[in-house]
Amino acid sequence: DAGVTQSPTHLIKTRGQHVTLRCSPISGHKSVSWYQQVLGQGPQFIFQYYEKEERGRGNFPDRFSARQFPNYSSELNVNALLLGDSALYLCASSLVRASVQETQYFGPGTRLLVL
Amino acid sequence: AQKVTQAQTEISVVEKEDVTLDCVYETRDTTYYLFWYKQPPSGELVFLIRRNSFDEQNEISGRYSWNFQKSTSSFNFTITASQVVDSAVYFCALLNYGGATNKLIFGTGTLLAVQP
Repeated sequence: DAGVTQSPTHLIKTRGQHVTLRCSPISGHKSVSWYQQVLGQGPQFIFQYYEKEERGRGNFPDRFSARQFPNYSSELNVNALLLGDSALYLCASSLVRASVQETQYFGPGTRLLVL
Repeated sequence: AQKVTQAQTEISVVEKEDVTLDCVYETRDTTYYLFWYKQPPSGELVFLIRRNSFDEQNEISGRYSWNFQKSTSSFNFTITASQVVDSAVYFCALLNYGGATNKLIFGTGTLLAVQP
């Protein structure tokens, strides 16, 4: 079975531009979460979506937005890019949102470099 | 506040040595879940183990073992007879469970370098 997939793998943008990152969860998983990992740090929670609705948002500015589609795939959008947005963006999927069995499985990430 | 602390930034060992990675957590919840993930240079976080707060039994999986102690709020990870392939960054994480959001709170990670 395929794991979580993300595209693109790498991306280079300049300040002020917009970027869209994509994620496909494990088949059957309905919850998708996004994390930002800057160099040398642990991942930081950005968003969680479940059944196409936003269920949680981390401490990130409104330049960050996301959505989940009927097939449970998801997009993360970042507007007006700043140098500090350079990071590894990780997508994680889980079977259900609130379950004692919940484990988040991560994709390979998208490395974003903002110049 | 919920927090995970991994005080060891980097550990270097020689192959076949045993190594323990420390994790200390803070939470006011009575029900919570702890995780360990491995991040090789490729960047993908690989799930290793999940532990709930009601199960303090230690767990062993091959060369890996985990020691969960609620009394000291610790969830330490030991690799026995380390191998070069174990070289990676290891993250301990706490699941903020319940309410509207379930999110993982990660420590800053421990870089393990296993030398041949």
